[in-house]
Amino acid sequence: KQEVTQIPAALSVPEGENLVLNCSFTDSAIYNLQWFRQDPGKGLTSLLLIQSSQREQTSGRLNASLDKSSGRSTLYIAASQPGDSATYLCAVRLGAGGTSYGKLTFGQGTILTVHP
Amino acid sequence: DVKVTQSSRYLVKRTGEKVFLECVQDMDHENMFWYRQDPGLGLRLIYFSYDVKMKEKGDIPEGYSVSREKKERFSLILESASTNQTSMYLCASSLPTSGRGFFGPGTRLTVL
Repeated sequence: KQEVTQIPAALSVPEGENLVLNCSFTDSAIYNLQWFRQDPGKGLTSLLLIQSSQREQTSGRLNASLDKSSGRSTLYIAASQPGDSATYLCAVRLGAGGTSYGKLTFGQGTILTVHP
Repeated sequence: DVKVTQSSRYLVKRTGEKVFLECVQDMDHENMFWYRQDPGLGLRLIYFSYDVKMKEKGDIPEGYSVSREKKERFSLILESASTNQTSMYLCASSLPTSGRGFFGPGTRLTVL
């Protein structure tokens, strides 16, 4: 059974710092990996999606990398801002074969606080 | 942009009531999902559907059922609500090929 772990569970940094969030998964036969952001009491917003054949994806100040063979992904946030404060979740989708149907397995999330 | 909407943001029900949570997506996605999110447990998949009238159990289906009569709508049903079903419920949809998940805003259900 796929298990997804995120480290650290919580992170507090001053504004302007570059930071890295980590995600690891136990079954490397993934179809893709997705990073989400969740604000308190709200739904999930998709930030980046990396297909299994890709090594990284970038969007603005965000960069996500994927090392499928070692079961790891990182989300890099450059020049952090107070508005980046949220919970960040990574989720993996197993291979397209069989009956995965796009089911996602989530990590527990990293709670990020960026203080002015 | 894909839009996934859920019928209620907040809901308060009593033990034993039948509860319906509705989810609608506007991008013709085949796959739809219901998750619940609890502190310390993360998001867990309750049920999913890969086509109209098709449904599959997720990791925690006990106490829930679902209905998908139209492609755009996926309903989660609590036949007899219990206090341990107090949670945040999140609906999602995706295409089979891209795998990108789009989530609704969530329904925070409290069962008294």
